[in-house]
Amino acid sequence: AQSVAQPEDQVNVAEGNPLTVKCTYSVSGNPYLFWYVQYPNRGLQFLLKYITGDNLVKGSYGFEAEFNKSQTSFHLKKPSALVSDSALYFCAVSSTGTAGNMLTFGGGTRLMVKP
Amino acid sequence: SAVISQKPSRDICQRGTSLTIQCQVDSQVTMMFWYRQQPGQSLTLIATANQGSEATYESGFVIDKFPISRPNLTFSTLTVSNMSPEDSSIYLCSVMVAGGRDTQYFGPGTRLTVL
Repeated sequence: AQSVAQPEDQVNVAEGNPLTVKCTYSVSGNPYLFWYVQYPNRGLQFLLKYITGDNLVKGSYGFEAEFNKSQTSFHLKKPSALVSDSALYFCAVSSTGTAGNMLTFGGGTRLMVKP
Repeated sequence: SAVISQKPSRDICQRGTSLTIQCQVDSQVTMMFWYRQQPGQSLTLIATANQGSEATYESGFVIDKFPISRPNLTFSTLTVSNMSPEDSSIYLCSVMVAGGRDTQYFGPGTRLTVL
């Protein structure tokens, strides 16, 4: 079975400061890792993904994430937070060992960026 | 990616009734999925909608409660049958496009409230 953990229900950061949203995973096979963002009353928007290759992946809106195989982590980062980044962030995983490309989501982390 | 629309965007329904949610994509996609997001919770996969055949349901979800159709490569419906207040959730469809490297793209969701 595959699983995702987002240990923080909420992350608070001041505008202009760097932010990190944590994610760890467990899969059999090679992981496919994703970050999605959900704004109020909206669906999920795809931010970035790691399939293979460079461990540091860059995505939309200045976000990036680093795949760390030894720590089974895929933390989301941004060098300088904006108030408009305030939203709910989900980490998700599937794997080469998963039939039908099934995605498993973490519980979500609410990011609050204060002016 | 793909442009995904869902109808209705929200609805308030009475206990015991049924609601059919539509998901329309602007291009042919390889796979379509239906998810449920209960209030304050993460996403849970209900089923994979298979074109021209019966959907594949995840543990805890049954066809009698959540019948799904997918008559072609761009359209699917999810029906929530004999609703109870516990069915109050956001229902999201997602798609995987050919050559999309395992990335799922989500529709805007349907917010269902059952009284």
